Amino acid sequence: AQSVTQLDSQVPVFEEAPVELRCNYSSSVSVYLFWYVQYPNQGLQLLLKYLSGSTLVKGINGFEAEFNKSQTSFHLRKPSVHISDTAEYFCAGSGYAGNMLTFGGGTRLMVKP
Amino acid sequence: DGGITQSPKYLFRKEGQNVTLSCEQNLNHDAMYWYRQDPGQGLRLIYYSQIVNDFQKGDIAEGYSVSREKKESFPLTVTSAQKNPTAFYLCASGQRGGGTDTQYFGPGTRLTVL
Repeated sequence: AQSVTQLDSQVPVFEEAPVELRCNYSSSVSVYLFWYVQYPNQGLQLLLKYLSGSTLVKGINGFEAEFNKSQTSFHLRKPSVHISDTAEYFCAGSGYAGNMLTFGGGTRLMVKP
Repeated sequence: DGGITQSPKYLFRKEGQNVTLSCEQNLNHDAMYWYRQDPGQGLRLIYYSQIVNDFQKGDIAEGYSVSREKKESFPLTVTSAQKNPTAFYLCASGQRGGGTDTQYFGPGTRLTVL
């Protein structure tokens, strides 16, 4: 089964600074990866996903992620964060099309003024 | 508006009681999921269903039960056998089910056992 690890439980950053949230996955024959965002007391919504093709994936709200097969990573980046980006971010993956998603433990992004 | 609704938003239960959490979707999705969220542990899959009248256990099904009598509805019952039920419960749906599917989440139900 696919496993997903988010290396940082919390990431504090100042407003307008760049940020990277790290995600590593266990290798498999094929891999599908997702980033979801959760605002306080709400459900999750999709930021972006990698299924195949270009390794640089652009998502909503100015976020992007790069699929790196050699490092088994799918880190999420944003060049300049806003206060409104304060939320919990989840990386998720599956090993093949018929499998269920496995979620990482989440990273809480705290943007400070 | 299309989406997923969960009710109630907050639920309090006494020990020994069964409670049922509601999940409804009007997205015409085949697949539906229930997750449990605890601080620092991410989301863990309880049950999922890819077709009406069929469902499968996830990673932590013990103490929970589900039904899928209609495509749009996937209620979750937390039974008295669940030893530590206090958590945030999230329902999701997906068009087909499976690892490539984008999942759409409801707003969640926070269950507290008194």
